[in-house]
Order: sequence, then structure tokens, then C-alpha cells
Amino acid sequence: QQQVKQSPQSLIVQKGGISIINCAYENTAFDYFPWYQQFPGKGPALLIAIRPDVSEKKEGRFTISFNKSAKQFSLHIMDSQPGNSATYFCAARGRTGNTPLVFGKGTRLSVIA
Amino acid sequence: SQTIHQWPATLVQPVGSPLSLECTVEGTSNPNLYWYRQAAGRGLQLLFYSVGIGQISSEVPQNLSASRPQDRQFILSSKKLLLSDSGFYLCAWLTRLAGNTDTQYFGPGTRLTVL
Repeated sequence: QQQVKQSPQSLIVQKGGISIINCAYENTAFDYFPWYQQFPGKGPALLIAIRPDVSEKKEGRFTISFNKSAKQFSLHIMDSQPGNSATYFCAARGRTGNTPLVFGKGTRLSVIA
Repeated sequence: SQTIHQWPATLVQPVGSPLSLECTVEGTSNPNLYWYRQAAGRGLQLLFYSVGIGQISSEVPQNLSASRPQDRQFILSSKKLLLSDSGFYLCAWLTRLAGNTDTQYFGPGTRLTVL
């Protein structure tokens, strides 16, 4: 019940296309859903996050869509660029910040020209 | 500003040798601190987290241990390294964002190779 399942494991997208990464969770106590971006040799960096009281959050070319009833959330990268090539992790956590984030296993995105 | 430091950046150690990795944070008080390990091409495995000095929660039983001797210092140790301890070790801390949300930020990491 503590798992966050992420798919696909890897993704290849043409430059200018839309990248879509999906995550699903079981624990209905989860209340905070961030996405992290990691470049090789670097620590993950917070990209965008959402709480379940909204169904969508957009920041630039990055959008989180959230479906509370299906217990699913996804990251969309519009107009994908080679610089977006990285590993992306979804995560989830309960309301209190004292509980650690539960991470998905990651998606390696390659954007090709 | 808030900064997280990890050292060393890279480390090559023989099997059976001891290990000490250090993480320190600046610009924040009483942070929650975390140690993660990432094997090559794999996901993030939570090893330990701490909500205060001397308070350590272990997530995965193994030959690693953690200590928090000071508020802003978190140390990962081993008495005898195994080949399977190789990986990218990441320290993270919890910080508050606008809108009363806490989230984890990661340090630059330590690349450990056990030979």
C-alpha cells in the first residue's frame, strides 16, 4: 500500500513531441505528489508538485494531471526538448512532512532531434 | 539561503574497509534529514531518516548505520563495506515552501565504488 508505481521505465520522444509519464498509488492518505528530475551524476531536483485538491497544475511546459478517484497522476512535458532528457521520479507522501516521500522507480526520458 | 553539502563527492574503497559519508545543511534549523542510495540506473532507496539529534529511523536492515551528532549534520557509516554497497548516496532535507508545504531537497551526492 506504500508503493508508487511508475511507468514507463524508459521513454523516447521526438523533439517537439509530448512526453507522458504515469504514476499510480494505493494509499488514500497520500496528500502531496511531487515530481523530481535527475540528470546523470546529479541529485534529483524538485520539478513540480500537486496536492489532491486540484486536478491540474502547470508550470511552463510541465503539467501534472491528477485523478483522485483513479489514484493516478501524470507528468506531461509539452514541446519536449533534448535538454529535458533526464530521469524523472514521481513521489507521494502523507499530509505531515515528517513522513518520507515514497518514490516511483523512475523513467528515463530521451528526447531525440 | 539554504544549502546542503555532501562529501566526499567520489570515493573508491576496498571491500571490508570502513565508510564515513557526511552531510551538512546550512540556512535552516531543525531539518528532517534523509539518506538515500541509488544503484546504477536504478531508483531511490531510502536508507535512514532523522527528525532530530540522536533520532534515527532505519528503513532497510543492512551493514550501514547513521548518526546525527548535531542538528545540521547527518553521517552515514559502515564498519565493513560490501561490493553491494556501491552506489550513489544522496542526502536530502525537508524544507518548507510557500503555501505551507514541506518538501525534500537533495544534495549533490557521493559516488561510492567498492572494489
